[in-house]
Parts: sequence; structure tokens; C-alpha cells
Amino acid sequence: DGGITQSPKYLFRKEGQNVTLSCEQNLNHDAMYWYRQDPGQGLRLIYYSQIVNDFQKGDIAEGYSVSREKKESFPLTVTSAQKNPTAFYLCASSIARTANYGYTFGSGTRLTVV
Amino acid sequence: GESVGLHLPTLSVQEGDNSIINCAYSNSASDYFIWYKQESGKGPQFIIDIRSNMDKRQGQRVTVLLNKTVKHLSLQIAATQPGDSAVYFCAEIPPLQKLVFGTGTRLLVSP
Repeated sequence: DGGITQSPKYLFRKEGQNVTLSCEQNLNHDAMYWYRQDPGQGLRLIYYSQIVNDFQKGDIAEGYSVSREKKESFPLTVTSAQKNPTAFYLCASSIARTANYGYTFGSGTRLTVV
Repeated sequence: GESVGLHLPTLSVQEGDNSIINCAYSNSASDYFIWYKQESGKGPQFIIDIRSNMDKRQGQRVTVLLNKTVKHLSLQIAATQPGDSAVYFCAEIPPLQKLVFGTGTRLLVSP
């Protein structure tokens, strides 16, 4: 089955550590996105990539970094510069560089700072 | 900037009732709209979509209505079931742009 896979489902980070969240899709989608969701809140865009080797900052990019070396993969690194990283992180992909066909979402990674 | 808002943050209904979730969007140029359902601890799932050349679209137990005059979108769920309990997001897509999400409405269905 085609889909988008996020791992791990749960992740714990110590203060000052960098952690990387994985996102892989086998839908042959061009564009991929990372969102952050805080409890009881909506989705806020962190980074997006419309094509391999290119990515753009979203609304809350500070403290995060991404790479897009392969079409299928769009990992997100939460750096120590992100002061409040505890949240639910969602990865999404879309078939085209615009959103005219909607997004497919992964099942999310819940990151907790311990 | 662009924004999509919801009138009701929480909607409580009885099982079997019809539910209506509302959404106001701000970009009159948006030509594609989607409703997503997000269950606790999961990613959003596509429910139904509608393009701006339509004012109504029906799916299985769900109907989306679009009123471009007042920039309003609604999701109607017929015979609401406990399994419909979730957060529902509307989203608008302006031409050649990224999807813009609303803040969400939590639907609580009581047996």
C-alpha cells in the first residue's frame, strides 16, 4: 500500500539534544511538509519542500532544520535552539508543487522533552 | 495574511443526530477546499473536498456546502456516530499556493 510513514511514534529528548524525525513516502509525491501541533491547537507549518534539494521555511522554522536529498524522504531535525519542542509533529505530502490535490498525512510523532 | 477560522471550537451532539461544523475562510481567490478528520494521536484524514465551481458535494453520510458569497464552508454529518468523535479541520487552497488550515472543531458524540 502506498502511504506516508513517520517514525518513531514517540520520541523523548533531553535538554540540549538534537533529534531527528523521519518521514518517508512511497506515493511519488513531489511536495512534502512538516507541521507542528500543540494540544488543542491547529497545525502550524514548519518547513516544506516542493522538489528534491530545495526547501522553504514555513511560519515557525526557528529551531528546526530539514533536508530533501531524496524525493521519498524529508527528515526534520529539532535542534537544541528550539526552546519548546514538546508537541505532535505531522508530516504530509502532496502530488504536485501546489496543493490542488490535497495533502496526505502521516500518523505523527509525539516529541517530549524530559 | 490568509486565515481560516471556525465558529465553534467544540460541538457536542447525541448519537443519531445530524452534525454541522462551520468554517469561515478569508481568501476569496481560494478555489479548492478540504475537510479533514483527526482522531486523537493520529494524523488528519481526508473526508471530502469541494472545488469553487460547486456549492454542494455529497459523500457517504457527509455533505460539504460552499457559500462563496460569504466565504463560508460547512460540513454536515448525518446520523452522527460515536466513531465520528474527532477534531475536524477545514482547509482552503488558493491558486498555486499551499493549503491553509483552520484551527479545528472538536466533535463530541454521546451515546
